Amino acid sequence: QKEVEQNSGPLSVPEGAIASLNCTYSDRGSQSFFWYRQYSGKSPELIMFIYSNGDKEDGRFTAQLNKASQYVSLLIRDSQPSDSATYLCAVNAVNAGKSTFGDGTTLTVKP
Amino acid sequence: EPEVTQTPSHQVTQMGQEVILRCVPISNHLYFYWYRQILGQKVEFLVSFYNNEISEKSEIFDDQFSVERPDGSNFTLKIRSTKLEDSAMYFCALRPGTPEQFFGPGTRLTVL
Repeated sequence: QKEVEQNSGPLSVPEGAIASLNCTYSDRGSQSFFWYRQYSGKSPELIMFIYSNGDKEDGRFTAQLNKASQYVSLLIRDSQPSDSATYLCAVNAVNAGKSTFGDGTTLTVKP
Repeated sequence: EPEVTQTPSHQVTQMGQEVILRCVPISNHLYFYWYRQILGQKVEFLVSFYNNEISEKSEIFDDQFSVERPDGSNFTLKIRSTKLEDSAMYFCALRPGTPEQFFGPGTRLTVL
């Protein structure tokens, strides 16, 4: 079993729609969870992090965490073509420790 | 968001050669990390560095690899004898004391 597993993708949504990206993790003791966006050939760019159960909103992005189900998701509202990228889920066992990444989900937003 | 620069942006080397990749955080931070990403694969942790010491390393980080903070600002990753399979993007990352981790732009290493 992979430590961090994401939707296999690719995911395609029309402009203005909600994109939903999912991630599960195997270490029940994981403490913090991150979503990064990565454009081709570029470095990961932090979108947001979450460490408490529930929802966390930042602009058009909402992260959702359910530690009981070992599940974290990212919703992108009003998707734009510029949101087309690979989205990486990362999990930390301890807050300042290493991040373990999933394989990523490639999102395409079609105009 | 803290600024991180990495040099060089692209390094081409012959198999068996030593390479040094550099990371320059603009302001002082305690936690530093090196990750790599082989083309088409996921980001993989190599090593973390806290308070001028290695705090954790992965199985990938074998005796061929070393890290240093030689002058208190630059943070370097050295690969002593490069192999073809070392070809990847290498990212430096840092934490400014919060859970967030910020990545540098990366160095593309090509081993021929």
